[in-house]
Amino acid sequence: SQQGEEDPQALSIQEGENATMNCSYKTSINNLQWYRQNSGRGLVHLILIRSNEREKHSGRLRVTLDTSKKSSSLLITASRAADTASYFCATLLTPNTGGFKTIFGAGTRLFVKA
Amino acid sequence: EAQVTQNPRYLITVTGKKLTVTCSQNMNHEYMSWYRQDPGLGLRQIYYSMNVEVTDKGDVPEGYKVSRKEKRNFPLILESPSPNQTSLYFCASSSRTDATNEKLFFGSGTQLSVL
Repeated sequence: SQQGEEDPQALSIQEGENATMNCSYKTSINNLQWYRQNSGRGLVHLILIRSNEREKHSGRLRVTLDTSKKSSSLLITASRAADTASYFCATLLTPNTGGFKTIFGAGTRLFVKA
Repeated sequence: EAQVTQNPRYLITVTGKKLTVTCSQNMNHEYMSWYRQDPGLGLRQIYYSMNVEVTDKGDVPEGYKVSRKEKRNFPLILESPSPNQTSLYFCASSSRTDATNEKLFFGSGTQLSVL
């Protein structure tokens, strides 16, 4: 099963409204990242929050992390039509074999209506 | 411009015909990885490489091979493609071996159809 699971699967809002997406994960993490994907294109990194951080801001983005609940949320304020995309959370695992693996959830599809 | 370049962008092939998807990055990144994306399943890691000549399996390695002979290149090889390998493939790279604080840079993707 996926390490990170986003909720909701899809979200439709009006331009100007806020959009909130949630991510839950199962194991201990070093950091949690959020990525954005425009229809079928490569993912673009949005923001990274470390395990010892509780909240982080970047422009209209606000990310929170609750390690006790193993969950994170991404808030996009004052959404725009151009924010229409899929959003993924990703967590880092460090296998016993060494190195690391980044595990992605299934994503939240956000549609912002103009 | 810093980028990860995948080729081809689209590929249609037939079952059993060997193919290679190329990936190249110009950022001198140690870490490179391949993912496949299928509807409702998010991105699943196929293989990753911590550095030249160091590769390891991800979650779905069956039916795929990789090699890392040079730092900048990380090709994905399908020796005998099957229809269940029809998917959208992404290559990604990151700057440090211990990339706990580093983001992934993604290529534009390769849409593969195996008939």
